[in-house]
Amino acid sequence: NAGVTQTPKFRVLKTGQSMTLLCAQDMNHEYMYWYRQDPGMGLRLIHYSVGEGTTAKGEVPDGYNVSRLKKQNFLLGLESAAPSQTSVYFCASSWTLGAGELFFGEGSRLTVL
Amino acid sequence: AQRVTQPEKLLSVFKGAPVELKCNYSYSGSPELFWYVQYSRQRLQLLLRHISRESIKGFTADLNKGETSFHLKKPFAQEEDSAMYYCALSDYNQGGKLIFGQGTELSVKP
Repeated sequence: NAGVTQTPKFRVLKTGQSMTLLCAQDMNHEYMYWYRQDPGMGLRLIHYSVGEGTTAKGEVPDGYNVSRLKKQNFLLGLESAAPSQTSVYFCASSWTLGAGELFFGEGSRLTVL
Repeated sequence: AQRVTQPEKLLSVFKGAPVELKCNYSYSGSPELFWYVQYSRQRLQLLLRHISRESIKGFTADLNKGETSFHLKKPFAQEEDSAMYYCALSDYNQGGKLIFGQGTELSVKP
Protein backbone atom coordinates (compact mmCIF):
# COMPACT_ATOMS: atom_id res chain seq x y z
CA ASN A 1 0.00 0.00 0.00
CA ALA A 2 2.11 2.88 -1.31
CA GLY A 3 -0.31 5.73 -0.58
CA VAL A 4 1.25 8.93 -1.94
CA THR A 5 4.60 8.63 -3.69
CA GLN A 6 6.80 11.54 -4.73
CA THR A 7 9.73 11.45 -7.13
CA PRO A 8 12.47 12.50 -6.98
CA LYS A 9 13.17 12.74 -3.26
CA PHE A 10 16.20 14.98 -3.70
CA ARG A 11 17.32 17.26 -6.50
CA VAL A 12 19.88 20.01 -6.97
CA LEU A 13 19.29 22.50 -9.77
CA LYS A 14 21.12 25.50 -11.12
CA THR A 15 19.28 28.78 -11.48
CA GLY A 16 17.29 28.80 -14.70
CA GLN A 17 17.01 25.04 -15.06
CA SER A 18 13.66 23.32 -15.27
CA MET A 19 12.35 20.21 -13.61
CA THR A 20 9.18 18.31 -12.81
CA LEU A 21 8.15 16.71 -9.55
CA LEU A 22 5.83 13.75 -9.86
CA CYS A 23 3.20 12.79 -7.33
CA ALA A 24 1.30 9.54 -7.61
CA GLN A 25 -1.48 8.25 -5.36
CA ASP A 26 -3.12 4.85 -5.36
CA MET A 27 -6.12 5.65 -3.16
CA ASN A 28 -8.41 6.89 -5.94
CA HIS A 29 -8.59 10.32 -4.33
CA GLU A 30 -10.20 13.15 -6.25
CA TYR A 31 -8.23 15.94 -4.63
CA MET A 32 -4.50 16.49 -4.83
CA TYR A 33 -2.25 19.27 -3.55
CA TRP A 34 1.27 20.59 -3.72
CA TYR A 35 2.68 22.37 -0.66
CA ARG A 36 6.06 23.83 0.07
CA GLN A 37 7.57 23.75 3.54
CA ASP A 38 10.01 26.43 4.62
CA PRO A 39 11.45 27.10 8.09
CA GLY A 40 9.25 29.46 10.05
CA MET A 41 6.65 29.54 7.28
CA GLY A 42 4.90 26.24 7.79
CA LEU A 43 3.25 24.61 4.80
CA ARG A 44 2.00 26.86 2.04
CA LEU A 45 -0.29 25.67 -0.73
CA ILE A 46 1.14 26.10 -4.23
CA HIS A 47 -1.52 24.55 -6.47
CA TYR A 48 -4.25 22.00 -6.06
CA SER A 49 -6.61 19.92 -8.15
CA VAL A 50 -10.21 18.93 -7.52
CA GLY A 51 -10.21 16.21 -10.16
CA GLU A 52 -8.65 14.86 -13.34
CA GLY A 53 -8.03 17.64 -15.83
CA THR A 54 -8.48 20.45 -13.29
CA THR A 55 -5.99 22.65 -11.49
CA ALA A 56 -6.25 25.77 -9.34
CA LYS A 57 -3.89 28.25 -7.74
CA GLY A 58 -3.11 28.17 -4.08
CA GLU A 59 -1.39 30.66 -1.84
CA VAL A 60 2.02 30.80 -3.59
CA PRO A 61 1.59 29.72 -7.23
CA ASP A 62 4.09 32.03 -8.94
CA GLY A 63 6.94 30.27 -10.69
CA TYR A 64 5.17 26.90 -10.73
CA ASN A 65 2.90 25.06 -13.12
CA VAL A 66 0.90 21.90 -12.57
CA SER A 67 -0.96 19.30 -14.56
CA ARG A 68 -3.41 16.53 -13.67
CA LEU A 69 -3.79 14.53 -16.85
CA LYS A 70 -4.53 11.33 -14.95
CA LYS A 71 -6.50 11.06 -11.73
CA GLN A 72 -3.68 9.34 -9.90
CA ASN A 73 -0.90 11.75 -10.91
CA PHE A 74 -0.25 15.41 -10.10
CA LEU A 75 2.83 17.01 -11.61
CA LEU A 76 4.55 20.15 -10.34
CA GLY A 77 6.81 21.94 -12.79
CA LEU A 78 9.43 24.62 -12.37
CA GLU A 79 10.14 26.20 -15.75
CA SER A 80 13.05 28.40 -14.66
CA ALA A 81 14.20 27.56 -11.15
CA ALA A 82 15.22 30.33 -8.76
CA PRO A 83 17.06 30.13 -5.41
CA SER A 84 13.84 31.26 -3.70
CA GLN A 85 12.33 27.94 -4.75
CA THR A 86 14.75 26.02 -2.58
CA SER A 87 12.38 24.16 -0.28
CA VAL A 88 10.87 20.85 0.68
CA TYR A 89 7.85 20.05 -1.46
CA PHE A 90 5.00 17.90 -0.23
CA CYS A 91 2.28 16.34 -2.26
CA ALA A 92 -0.98 15.32 -0.60
CA SER A 93 -4.29 13.81 -1.60
CA SER A 94 -7.71 13.52 -0.02
CA TRP A 95 -11.24 12.24 -0.56
CA THR A 96 -12.79 15.62 0.10
CA LEU A 97 -11.77 19.23 -0.01
CA GLY A 98 -11.64 20.52 3.53
CA ALA A 99 -12.82 18.44 6.45
CA GLY A 100 -11.33 15.22 5.20
CA GLU A 101 -7.91 13.91 6.10
CA LEU A 102 -4.95 14.76 3.87
CA PHE A 103 -2.52 11.96 3.07
CA PHE A 104 1.00 13.20 2.46
CA GLY A 105 3.96 11.98 0.51
CA GLU A 106 7.44 11.79 2.03
CA GLY A 107 8.55 15.09 0.56
CA SER A 108 11.01 16.17 -2.11
CA ARG A 109 13.96 18.33 -1.12
CA LEU A 110 14.90 20.75 -3.88
CA THR A 111 17.97 22.97 -3.79
CA VAL A 112 18.45 25.70 -6.39
CA LEU A 113 21.98 27.08 -6.59
CA ALA B 1 -7.72 36.98 5.75
CA GLN B 2 -7.94 33.52 7.28
CA ARG B 3 -4.86 32.76 9.28
CA VAL B 4 -3.39 30.20 11.66
CA THR B 5 -0.72 31.25 14.12
CA GLN B 6 1.50 29.01 16.20
CA PRO B 7 3.52 31.42 18.33
CA GLU B 8 6.18 28.96 19.47
CA LYS B 9 8.78 27.62 17.04
CA LEU B 10 10.23 25.30 19.63
CA LEU B 11 8.82 23.88 22.84
CA SER B 12 11.10 21.87 25.06
CA VAL B 13 9.81 19.90 28.08
CA PHE B 14 10.95 17.04 30.26
CA LYS B 15 9.37 13.61 30.11
CA GLY B 16 6.28 13.46 32.32
CA ALA B 17 5.65 17.20 32.21
CA PRO B 18 2.42 18.65 30.79
CA VAL B 19 2.50 19.96 27.25
CA GLU B 20 0.46 22.68 25.59
CA LEU B 21 1.12 23.65 21.98
CA LYS B 22 -0.63 26.88 21.15
CA CYS B 23 -2.68 27.58 18.07
CA ASN B 24 -4.69 30.71 17.35
CA TYR B 25 -6.74 31.37 14.28
CA SER B 26 -8.61 34.12 12.52
CA TYR B 27 -11.64 33.06 10.53
CA SER B 28 -15.02 34.52 9.72
CA GLY B 29 -17.45 31.69 10.27
CA SER B 30 -17.39 28.29 11.95
CA PRO B 31 -13.91 26.84 11.54
CA GLU B 32 -12.86 23.27 11.03
CA LEU B 33 -9.54 22.78 12.82
CA PHE B 34 -6.95 20.04 12.80
CA TRP B 35 -3.62 19.07 14.27
CA TYR B 36 -1.08 17.32 12.04
CA VAL B 37 2.17 15.76 13.26
CA GLN B 38 5.43 14.92 11.54
CA TYR B 39 7.70 12.52 13.41
CA SER B 40 11.36 12.32 12.42
CA ARG B 41 11.76 10.63 9.02
CA GLN B 42 8.02 10.05 8.73
CA ARG B 43 5.27 11.60 6.70
CA LEU B 44 3.06 14.37 7.91
CA GLN B 45 -0.10 12.76 9.27
CA LEU B 46 -3.35 13.76 10.86
CA LEU B 47 -3.27 13.66 14.66
CA LEU B 48 -6.77 14.85 15.48
CA ARG B 49 -9.61 17.05 14.31
CA HIS B 50 -11.79 19.18 16.53
CA ILE B 51 -15.04 17.88 15.13
CA SER B 52 -14.37 14.37 16.43
CA ARG B 53 -13.56 15.54 19.96
CA GLU B 54 -11.31 12.53 20.41
CA SER B 55 -8.07 11.87 22.27
CA ILE B 56 -5.24 10.47 20.18
CA LYS B 57 -2.01 9.27 21.80
CA GLY B 58 -3.10 11.10 24.93
CA PHE B 59 -3.46 14.44 23.12
CA THR B 60 -6.62 16.51 23.19
CA ALA B 61 -7.53 19.85 21.68
CA ASP B 62 -10.53 22.00 22.47
CA LEU B 63 -11.87 24.65 20.18
CA ASN B 64 -12.35 27.92 22.06
CA LYS B 65 -14.29 30.23 19.78
CA GLY B 66 -14.18 33.10 22.25
CA GLU B 67 -10.38 33.09 22.31
CA THR B 68 -10.11 31.79 18.69
CA SER B 69 -7.77 29.10 19.90
CA PHE B 70 -7.27 25.38 19.37
CA HIS B 71 -4.43 24.47 21.72
CA LEU B 72 -3.07 20.92 21.77
CA LYS B 73 -2.57 19.44 25.22
CA LYS B 74 -1.17 16.35 26.83
CA PRO B 75 -0.93 15.88 30.60
CA PHE B 76 2.27 13.79 30.62
CA ALA B 77 4.70 14.12 27.73
CA GLN B 78 6.62 11.10 26.45
CA GLU B 79 9.91 11.07 24.53
CA GLU B 80 8.14 9.59 21.51
CA ASP B 81 5.99 12.73 21.32
CA SER B 82 9.00 14.65 20.02
CA ALA B 83 7.97 15.85 16.57
CA MET B 84 6.86 18.80 14.49
CA TYR B 85 3.24 19.77 15.08
CA TYR B 86 1.12 21.80 12.68
CA CYS B 87 -2.24 23.36 13.39
CA ALA B 88 -4.47 23.68 10.32
CA LEU B 89 -7.75 25.32 9.41
CA SER B 90 -10.14 24.35 6.65
CA ASP B 91 -11.10 27.53 4.82
CA TYR B 92 -14.60 27.04 3.44
CA ASN B 93 -14.46 30.53 1.97
CA GLN B 94 -11.84 29.12 -0.39
CA GLY B 95 -13.40 25.79 -1.14
CA GLY B 96 -12.25 24.11 2.04
CA LYS B 97 -8.53 24.16 1.45
CA LEU B 98 -6.30 23.61 4.47
CA ILE B 99 -4.31 26.55 5.80
CA PHE B 100 -1.39 25.53 8.00
CA GLY B 101 0.31 27.34 10.82
CA GLN B 102 4.06 27.80 10.99
CA GLY B 103 4.57 24.66 13.05
CA THR B 104 5.95 24.02 16.54
CA GLU B 105 8.78 21.63 17.18
CA LEU B 106 8.21 19.69 20.39
CA SER B 107 11.26 18.25 22.09
CA VAL B 108 10.69 15.94 25.05
CA LYS B 109 13.84 15.36 27.06
CA PRO B 110 14.43 12.29 29.24
